[in-house]
Formats: sequence, structure tokens, C-alpha cells
Amino acid sequence: DTEVTQTPKHLVMGMTNKKSLKCEQHMGHRAMYWYKQKAKKPPELMFVYSYEKLSINESVPSRFSPECPNSSLLNLHLHALQPEDSALYLCASSQAGTGSSYEQYFGPGTRLTVT
Amino acid sequence: GESVGLHLPTLSVQEGDNSIINCAYSNSASDYFIWYKQESGKGPQFIIDIRSNMDKRQGQRVTVLLNKTVKHLSLQIAATQPGDSAVYFCAESGDFGNEKLTFGTGTRLTIIP
Repeated sequence: DTEVTQTPKHLVMGMTNKKSLKCEQHMGHRAMYWYKQKAKKPPELMFVYSYEKLSINESVPSRFSPECPNSSLLNLHLHALQPEDSALYLCASSQAGTGSSYEQYFGPGTRLTVT
Repeated sequence: GESVGLHLPTLSVQEGDNSIINCAYSNSASDYFIWYKQESGKGPQFIIDIRSNMDKRQGQRVTVLLNKTVKHLSLQIAATQPGDSAVYFCAESGDFGNEKLTFGTGTRLTIIP
């Protein structure tokens, strides 16, 4: 199984709402990632979890709050977002560990619209 | 600063011909490079990767070439098919063991029937 799943596929939320994006993988990967992708742009890294611990935060505003409950799950909690946060949010996973880099497998993304 | 760039933003190729997509990088310490394909409405799909101790790697209908002297990466797709139409991104990992990938700007490949 080389699949990363993400729910929901689409999400529309107001600026005062609280919502969560979910990501799951069963490849035994111990590194998981959140990316943000605007239209016609490359993915931009937001967060990296390695062995369930936050290892990279790319200076993301606190209205985005990641969580890694276990090695298979990754959440992104959203609160008080702005319209400019509308984008495709991609989750990815890979092997983890020191001494090498590995291919990241991406999910289909959640298309988020903030109204 | 580090950057990963593509020479051409769009590329149109006749079906059955070979495609070459180029990518330049600026970090000489880059150790690991990946090509991804992204179709409309989908997440990036891994195509092929290469490490800095290699200069060529082949997959099914795809070949990646790495020229460290000029910091250049290319993806060759043989006998292109309509299903190859997509945006192609190169990405690099700057340091050995670094989990952070930096993506290039992308090239849109269109296959002409």
C-alpha cells in the first residue's frame, strides 16, 4: 500500500470557524509533512514530523496547528484563517532517519476555501 | 540563497516524441533530487529520484540526468503519451539526511496528438 489519504477533499470555512484536515498512511513511514500549494505554484513546506515529533516549522502562522497523534496519522487544525489561506493542502510521508533523504509520497490534497 | 529553477515554464511535444524537461539548482551541497508529476486536481506523484553520487538513473520510459559541474538536472520522457500531460516539478534536498524538499517552479508539459 503506497497510498496517502486525506480528508476532506474539499472544505469551505468562514474566518471564525475551526476545522481540521486529516491525513493517514499505512506504509510504516515515520516522517510526515504538510505542504501548502497555491494555484500554478510549487508546494511549499509548512511542517515536518519525524518519529511523531515536530522537527520543522517553516515559520507558519499560529492559526495553523499541526498534530501527530501516532505514526500513521497527521492532522492540521485550522482556526481564524484568512482568505489568503485558501489553497490546496497536501500531506506527504516518507521514511525517516539520519544519513539519507527519501522520496516523499503525497496525498491528493484538501482544497480549502476561506470565505 | 538556495533555489531550484526550471529553464522553461511550458513545453509542447508531439505524441510519440521524446520530452526533455530541465532544472537548475544553486546549492552545490544538494545531495538528493526528485522529479514529481502533478496532474490537475491531484497531488504530486513520484516519478524518479537520483542521488549526488550518480549522474544517470533510468526508470520505465524516464531517465534522469544529473550534471553536478553545472548544477543541472533533466528529466527525459521517451515516447510521450497523452497521459504524460501534467506539470513536472524537480525538487532537491539540500543536505544529506535533510527531510526538507525545495521544489522548483514547475514545467507544464502538453502532449499534442
